[in-house]
Amino acid sequence: EPEVTQTPSHQVTQMGQEVILRCVPISNHLYFYWYRQILGQKVEFLVSFYNNEISEKSEIFDDQFSVERPDGSNFTLKIRSTKLEDSAMYFCASRSLAAREETQYFGPGTRLLVL
Amino acid sequence: QKEVEQDPGPLSVPEGAIVSLNCTYSNSAFQYFMWYRQYSRKGPELLMYTYSSGNKEDGRFTAQVDKSSKYISLFIRDSQPSDSATYLCAMSNTGGFKTIFGAGTRLFVKA
Repeated sequence: EPEVTQTPSHQVTQMGQEVILRCVPISNHLYFYWYRQILGQKVEFLVSFYNNEISEKSEIFDDQFSVERPDGSNFTLKIRSTKLEDSAMYFCASRSLAAREETQYFGPGTRLLVL
Repeated sequence: QKEVEQDPGPLSVPEGAIVSLNCTYSNSAFQYFMWYRQYSRKGPELLMYTYSSGNKEDGRFTAQVDKSSKYISLFIRDSQPSDSATYLCAMSNTGGFKTIFGAGTRLFVKA
């Protein structure tokens, strides 16, 4: 069964450093998402991406964040200058355009720790 | 008022019990309603999704949506210890570009 994959599974970085989180969505999916989940808290929407542009973003997704689909398979989230409060689990998700398949399939997540 | 409200629990039930989980929401634009299961330190796993109002059944799971009351439910019949997890409701508007999650309800099913 096809699945969303994410790398790395864990990332430790120093405050102020740039990090890039990578995702490979399911191959025939066209919508891509990033979410974060701070330990013990709810899953929070960050951004959605379709047709090579951002469709919608939350107030969390400020100028420190960017997304890119550099090739036909990868979808990345970049945090330019990490803060302590960026420490969280980051989930990538994708969904297809098939009729009534208005739902998302999540990857296993990248655990980011900012020191 | 939060867009999506979900009681975080924990909810503890004996094996074989019927479990009822629910969420309320405030945004009438939501059209797609999902239930995810999340095990500790793992990504959410899709269980059920429903478009607009109505019921949907899949094995031991039944999802209900009542848009007039802005209330959605997930029922688990014959609950098993392996059902112990956090259950997240989620919903999105037409187009599905932004999905809002509830806080999740922690469920424990005791053998």
